[in-house]
Amino acid sequence: GQQVMQIPQYQHVQEGEDFTTYCNSSTTLSNIQWYKQRPGGHPVFLIQLVKSGEVKKQKRLTFQFGEAKKNSSLHITATQTTDVGTYFCAGKVGGATNKLIFGTGTLLAVQP
Amino acid sequence: DVKVTQSSRYLVKRTGEKVFLECVQDMDHENMFWYRQDPGLGLRLIYFSYDVKMKEKGDIPEGYSVSREKKERFSLILESASTNQTSMYLCASSPRQGAVEQFFGPGTRLTVL
Repeated sequence: GQQVMQIPQYQHVQEGEDFTTYCNSSTTLSNIQWYKQRPGGHPVFLIQLVKSGEVKKQKRLTFQFGEAKKNSSLHITATQTTDVGTYFCAGKVGGATNKLIFGTGTLLAVQP
Repeated sequence: DVKVTQSSRYLVKRTGEKVFLECVQDMDHENMFWYRQDPGLGLRLIYFSYDVKMKEKGDIPEGYSVSREKKERFSLILESASTNQTSMYLCASSPRQGAVEQFFGPGTRLTVL
């Protein structure tokens, strides 16, 4: 079946270091979304990428969608303790419904 | 603000019990979803509904059923709870058209003993 894998599963960084999580789909995606889940919380939408090769920035966060629309990445520059949480990518594979396939998630721990 | 609420934050049930998890959204969204979240596995879709009385199986529907009698409410039913259904259950909703962002409820942590 359709799968979306994320690596790494867990990353521990010192505050101020950069962080990147990668997302790979077994099938071509019509778009990809990113969500953040704080410890004890629920996933919250961050951004959506639609176009092949698209790059979007939100302050210290940079999101990329691959040329083949099968992979994506999230890069955080100079991490802060507020960045702690699990980051999920979620791909839409087309069709009329808004069904998403979620990645396995990357848990980011930031040491002050 | 979109609000998605779930009936319980924590629930403890015994093996074999019938379990109902309720989800209500207040934004008139057509789509509603039930996921379970387990460490290392991410969010896996159990069932989703794109309209009242309409439902489709997700990736792991076995052992679950759903009901959507009203647009704002989507119920997940465990017909006979088993220990391997111990998990965090998340409900989400989204509009059918336009922005496809999903809005999540706070989750229900279900423990089956």
